Amino acid sequence: GNSVTQMEGPVTLSEEAFLTINCTYTATGYPSLFWYVQYPGEGLQLLLKATKADDKGSNKGFEATYRKETTSFHLEKGSVQVSDSAVYFCALSDGTGNQFYFGTGTSLTVIP
Amino acid sequence: EAGVTQFPSHSVIEKGQTVTLRCDPISGHDNLYWYRRVMGKEIKFLLHFVKESKQDESGMPNNRFLAERTGGTYSTLKVQPAELEDSGVYFCASSRAVGTYEQYFGPGTRLTVT
Repeated sequence: GNSVTQMEGPVTLSEEAFLTINCTYTATGYPSLFWYVQYPGEGLQLLLKATKADDKGSNKGFEATYRKETTSFHLEKGSVQVSDSAVYFCALSDGTGNQFYFGTGTSLTVIP
Repeated sequence: EAGVTQFPSHSVIEKGQTVTLRCDPISGHDNLYWYRRVMGKEIKFLLHFVKESKQDESGMPNNRFLAERTGGTYSTLKVQPAELEDSGVYFCASSRAVGTYEQYFGPGTRLTVT
């Protein structure tokens, strides 16, 4: 079956620190992978995506590379800002389009 | 373009009562999804509409949950009667097509059953 495992939070970092949020997946077939972000009081927003192996998704300084050999899609940012404080969700779509499979979410707090 | 909207933003009801959640998808999006996040766990799929038809309702927890999508536009999710374990955040999402296309999410409805 399909599933996503995401590193436990919460994560607290100082401004300008390096961020890594680990995400691994189990899937049948060839899934597409996504990172969604939920800022306080808002809905989930797509942060980045990758649709095939070795693709790198990037947006707003965040990056994630689709690694088929390790079934991973880790989220990274070189220098976090206070405005990056949010909950981050890793997700996959198995391509049928019926549903996304999400991880448990990782809460990130960035302190000045 | 207006985003996905959900109403209400927060609902507090007693066990045994009925609650109806509403979702308005992005105009022109035939695909509408309901998800639920319970107690800080993963967001789980409930069901998927294509226009007014239920494409997949494999995630619906039991027959106390009823989803409809009148005329292929907005959708409602009714919980009757509500139980304590139904508490959580209910998200609605819509997309223009299936597959690798992004799903656009609403802000969610926080349901608290006491």
